Amino acid sequence: KQEVTQIPAALSVPEGENLVLNCSFTDSAIYNLQWFRQDPGKGLTSLLLIQSSQREQTSGRLNASLDKSSGRSTLYIAASQPGDSATYLCAVVNLWGSSNTGKLIFGQGTTLQVKP
Amino acid sequence: ETGVTQTPRHLVMGMTNKKSLKCEQHLGHNAMYWYKQSAKKPLELMFVYNFKEQTENNSVPSRFSPECPNSSHLFLHLHTLQPEDSALYLCASSQDLGMGEYFGPGTRLTVT
Repeated sequence: KQEVTQIPAALSVPEGENLVLNCSFTDSAIYNLQWFRQDPGKGLTSLLLIQSSQREQTSGRLNASLDKSSGRSTLYIAASQPGDSATYLCAVVNLWGSSNTGKLIFGQGTTLQVKP
Repeated sequence: ETGVTQTPRHLVMGMTNKKSLKCEQHLGHNAMYWYKQSAKKPLELMFVYNFKEQTENNSVPSRFSPECPNSSHLFLHLHTLQPEDSALYLCASSQDLGMGEYFGPGTRLTVT
């Protein structure tokens, strides 16, 4: 059974710092991995999607890496801003044979606070 | 309207009530999903529909009944719920299964 773990559960940093959020998964047979952002009481916003054949994806100040063999992904946020304060969720879609299961399995998230 | 919309945004219901949650996607996607987000727990997948056909029921109690009349609309019918069913219910859609999901804002459900 796939399990997704995110460390740390919460993080508080001063504005301007570079930071890394970690995600690990127990079953390396994944179809893709996604990072989402969730603001309090709101839905999820997709940040980055990494296919299983890819090593990283970048969008602006965000960079996500994937090491499928070790079951790890990191989300790097450069030059953090107060507006980055939110919960960041990692999720994987498992493979079923040569197809994907269509099921996103989520970690519990890392709640980030960036202080001005 | 664009993206994925959900109504109502907030719902308070008694345990004997019957209510429905509605989700609509304006993205031309083929797959739609219901998720439950409870406090202190990871997001849990409830149901998956692909081309209007249910492909996944993640051991959800029968007091939750999904309906997908077409690929743009998804409903979650609720009846005789329990207080522990109080949660944020999120709808999502994707072009194809597992191919990058777009989420709605969610319905905050409180069962009294």
